[in-house]
Amino acid sequence: DVKVTQSSRYLVKRTGEKVFLECVQDMDHENMFWYRQDPGLGLRLIYFSYDVKMKEKGDIPEGYSVSREKKERFSLILESASTNQTSMYLCASSLSTGGNNEQFFGPGTRLTVL
Amino acid sequence: SQQGEEDPQALSIQEGENATMNCSYKTSINNLQWYRQNSGRGLVHLILIRSNEREKHSGRLRVTLDTSKKSSSLLITASRAADTASYFCATDSRAQKLVFGQGTRLTINP
Repeated sequence: DVKVTQSSRYLVKRTGEKVFLECVQDMDHENMFWYRQDPGLGLRLIYFSYDVKMKEKGDIPEGYSVSREKKERFSLILESASTNQTSMYLCASSLSTGGNNEQFFGPGTRLTVL
Repeated sequence: SQQGEEDPQALSIQEGENATMNCSYKTSINNLQWYRQNSGRGLVHLILIRSNEREKHSGRLRVTLDTSKKSSSLLITASRAADTASYFCATDSRAQKLVFGQGTRLTINP
């Protein structure tokens, strides 16, 4: 069974802290994605990666960075957390071949920045 | 920018009734996908319809696609309480990335 796991379901951090959100997939997928989800705004793409050590900015990359040192792991980093980064963060992965680019999602991390 | 827009934003029906949700998008697509999200959880893929397909079925789900109108609909027949969730359409006009709409919140009343 395909699986995407995220390191925490709930996280509370203070303004200015450095925050790491980890995502691991066991499906050997090439593509990995980080989204944030806010009420009324739907899912917005922060960063994505097509391959190891490769990253591309999504629609809202400001205030975030990512790391993909291994194929199965994609990390989202908040260098200095701010209150406007309080949100639900969702990680997803997909295969890169063919026309079926179904994404598999993790359970999400609800981050609160105080 | 959001490409898909779902309509209605919220829908409340009685158990056993059919639920219809609509999605409109702006640019040409390779395929359109529908996802379900239970409260506070990740999204789960439901069905994918390619741009050269007009209708697709999966169990109690029926999806239609009208590329001339840039719209899709998701029909859930004989709804159950477990269908209560948010439903999102997603389009893939940009390579491997998907663009999600804001979702329809469906409530099934017993």
